[in-house]
Amino acid sequence: EAGVTQSPTHLIKTRGQQATLRCSPISGHTSVYWYQQALGLGLQFLLWYDEGEERNRGNFPPRFSGRQFPNYSSELNVNALELEDSALYLCASSLRGGTGELFFGEGSRLTVL
Amino acid sequence: AQRVTQPEKLLSVFKGAPVELKCNYSYSGSPELFWYVQYSRQRLQLLLRHISRESIKGFTADLNKGETSFHLKKPFAQEEDSAMYYCALRNSGAGSYQLTFGKGTKLSVIP
Repeated sequence: EAGVTQSPTHLIKTRGQQATLRCSPISGHTSVYWYQQALGLGLQFLLWYDEGEERNRGNFPPRFSGRQFPNYSSELNVNALELEDSALYLCASSLRGGTGELFFGEGSRLTVL
Repeated sequence: AQRVTQPEKLLSVFKGAPVELKCNYSYSGSPELFWYVQYSRQRLQLLLRHISRESIKGFTADLNKGETSFHLKKPFAQEEDSAMYYCALRNSGAGSYQLTFGKGTKLSVIP
């Protein structure tokens, strides 16, 4: 069974540009979570989507947004990129209301120059 | 606000020595706690959860509500235990199911 897949693996942008990251959850999983892993800061919760709706968001500015599609895949958009947005962005999926186990992708490395 | 603290960024132990990775949390409700592990060149994965009370790869963790701790222990470290370990707290209140992670501890087992 395929795990959580993310694309692109690496992305290089310049300040002020927009970045779009994509995630496909494990088949049957309806919840998608986005985390930012910046150097020295651990995993910071960004967004949680379930059944096509944004259910919760972390302490990030509105320029971090996303959506979940009918097939439960998800997109994370970061507008007006800043240097400090450089990080590894991890997507995870789970069964809604499940045991709490998150299944992670390998991440998308965003570099902002 | 909920918080997970892992006081050690790096922990080095010799093979065969006991290991204890510390985790403390603050949460007003009834906590659900997890340990996740990331081996070199692999994705982050669940190691164990407190409600299961299980031992995985020789690791155990006991939830101590009095001390608000969930330390990960193993009596005899193996080289293959070298990895990054994250303690995580699940917020099951208000319909929220995301995990709050600590900053992680890198365990290095010296041969």
